[in-house]
Amino acid sequence: DQQVKQNSPSLSVQEGRISILNCDYTNSMFDYFLWYKKYPAEGPTFLISISSIKDKNEDGRFTVFLNKSAKHLSLHIVPSQPGDSAVYFCAASAQHGANNLFFGTGTRLTVIP
Amino acid sequence: SAVISQKPSRDICQRGTSLTIQCQVDSQVTMMFWYRQQPGQSLTLIATANQGSEATYESGFVIDKFPISRPNLTFSTLTVSNMSPEDSSIYLCSVSSGRYYEQYFGPGTRLTVT
Repeated sequence: DQQVKQNSPSLSVQEGRISILNCDYTNSMFDYFLWYKKYPAEGPTFLISISSIKDKNEDGRFTVFLNKSAKHLSLHIVPSQPGDSAVYFCAASAQHGANNLFFGTGTRLTVIP
Repeated sequence: SAVISQKPSRDICQRGTSLTIQCQVDSQVTMMFWYRQQPGQSLTLIATANQGSEATYESGFVIDKFPISRPNLTFSTLTVSNMSPEDSSIYLCSVSSGRYYEQYFGPGTRLTVT
């Protein structure tokens, strides 16, 4: 059973506009959430994370929002740039210190110049 | 950050054969991880490999099918044994960054079994 879900396989956004990538999870024990970005022929690279004790974390153009009651998180990219075009994976972990990350299936973002 | 390389980058194999994937890290790390990404699916952890001890396998993965070696702190191998078309996937190794659950990933090995 998929515990982390990204229901949008793809998203296209105009350069300069906001990109919003969504992620839902089912396990209420998840206490840490991460976003990874993946370019073709490369491994995923860490982008931004958030602890379950927070509802927002910001790093430059990237902001992650967490809504625990809805079991939902989102990644906002503002402004979107063509170099942001990649596959974005949402991931979650259920135990502090554990290494098992549960990944979503990814959303392919295309930023149109 | 850690730089991770994997060999081979891709391969096409016949069913019933085995393939060994190598993972090399440019620094010493305690824990290495092996993931699988089947077509259209998410990344799934296969096992955690510690140097000097047996790998720890996740539910649904067994040592006979995915034997792992970890001879030192910079290297690991994953063997996919007695392959079937269902094993066609991208296999990735990763290491912990030391910060919470953040991991550095290798570029992956794309395996196609015919």
